[in-house]
Amino acid sequence: AQKITQTQPGMFVQEKEAVTLDCTYDTSDQSYGLFWYKQPSSGEMIFLIYQGSYDEQNATEGRYSLNFQKARKSANLVISASQLGDSAMYFCAMREVSYGNNRLAFGKGNQVVVIP
Amino acid sequence: KAGVTQTPRYLIKTRGQQVTLSCSPISGHRSVSWYQQTPGQGLQFLFEYFSETQRNKGNFPGRFSGRQFSNSRSEMNVSTLELGDSALYLCASSTVATSTDTQYFGPGTRLTVL
Repeated sequence: AQKITQTQPGMFVQEKEAVTLDCTYDTSDQSYGLFWYKQPSSGEMIFLIYQGSYDEQNATEGRYSLNFQKARKSANLVISASQLGDSAMYFCAMREVSYGNNRLAFGKGNQVVVIP
Repeated sequence: KAGVTQTPRYLIKTRGQQVTLSCSPISGHRSVSWYQQTPGQGLQFLFEYFSETQRNKGNFPGRFSGRQFSNSRSEMNVSTLELGDSALYLCASSTVATSTDTQYFGPGTRLTVL
């Protein structure tokens, strides 16, 4: 069964606007971590933000925030004030403590294109 | 601090050959994980090494192997290459494996098998 689901088609976003990328996950673990990475065309995976399953507040890192809804098992990424450099693939990933601390399960990704 | 480095960045091999990829983690990081990324299968976990020991292994055939050295540098080897092994191979490092630990990725090695 797929652990991370990202189903949005490619998105075009106007520069300076906000964009929300959807991510739902499936786990029976109580302790897990959720990550978002950005992958530009160069290929490198760039860490953006982390949310722990026991964190009571939504994570924020600069222009990135994570809308964590534990009961719905969703962890949506919000990028505010989009910039041209935000054009990339965005991956949601999960680490389950019982599955091995450093084994990340990734979704298929969301393609974002920022237009001026 | 220097980031995760991977060598070589690009590699072209033919079927049946073998290949070795190298990964140098961020200084102080002791855990190294490897992932394969293909258009069809997406990102898949290969294996993880911590203190020179393989701690976790993904669902890949035995042709895929790896090791970690005392300085935490890691290599992965693919023997008897197949066309389907063409992929971007990403290495990630982290400090000590806890549930909050973040993996930082290198730029990847793009392998093409002809």
